[in-house]
Amino acid sequence: DSGVTQTPKHLITATGQRVTLRCSPRSGDLSVYWYQQSLDQGLQFLIQYYNGEERAKGNILERFSAQQFPDLHSELNLSSLELGDSALYFCASSETGMNQETQYFGPGTRLLVL
Amino acid sequence: GENVEQHPSTLSVQEGDSAVIKCTYSDSASNYFPWYKQELGKRPQLIIDIRSNVGEKKDQRIAVTLNKTAKHFSLHITETQPEDSAVYFCAAADSWGKFQFGAGTQVVVTP
Repeated sequence: DSGVTQTPKHLITATGQRVTLRCSPRSGDLSVYWYQQSLDQGLQFLIQYYNGEERAKGNILERFSAQQFPDLHSELNLSSLELGDSALYFCASSETGMNQETQYFGPGTRLLVL
Repeated sequence: GENVEQHPSTLSVQEGDSAVIKCTYSDSASNYFPWYKQELGKRPQLIIDIRSNVGEKKDQRIAVTLNKTAKHFSLHITETQPEDSAVYFCAAADSWGKFQFGAGTQVVVTP
């Protein structure tokens, strides 16, 4: 157990809908990362937050947004969902968000868009 | 554009043999190179990492080498065991914390 929690574990929804994925980092970690893992795309870095502020951006679609709250938990919002958004979404956390720190991954949220 | 290429996509080895996975990156700003192991249905876990000021790092049966000039780095697993079977991902990150991952290598260790 990495200490990073994600909810929900599974999510089934329909195209066009909007969902919110939640992540709580390890105690003491200030930085949160979001990743998308699909069968044909591998592991894709989406976005990083540090202490409430966006720090780095990867291949995140405009239909997706994220934020980190004062209590350091983070939410990833996925809107206008398409079939291709079906994937496993991981959150990871690290202490200060410096790039040479170990990231600890949560168990993931499996999203299925029908 | 920035990307990380990883080879091979699948690797089958006999127990006790060595396994080597290679990655190349294009972003010269990359200075941190972690390797993750992901077992089926589980989260990725860091197994070893290397910074840009180091050419080689070893941890028991696992070693990583980095050639910054050629922009490639490799993972070496010696004396493979069935529990080494998993998908391995390489990644390259810059100082801003932007990560690029390889597509993964499915390693199968047969007894």
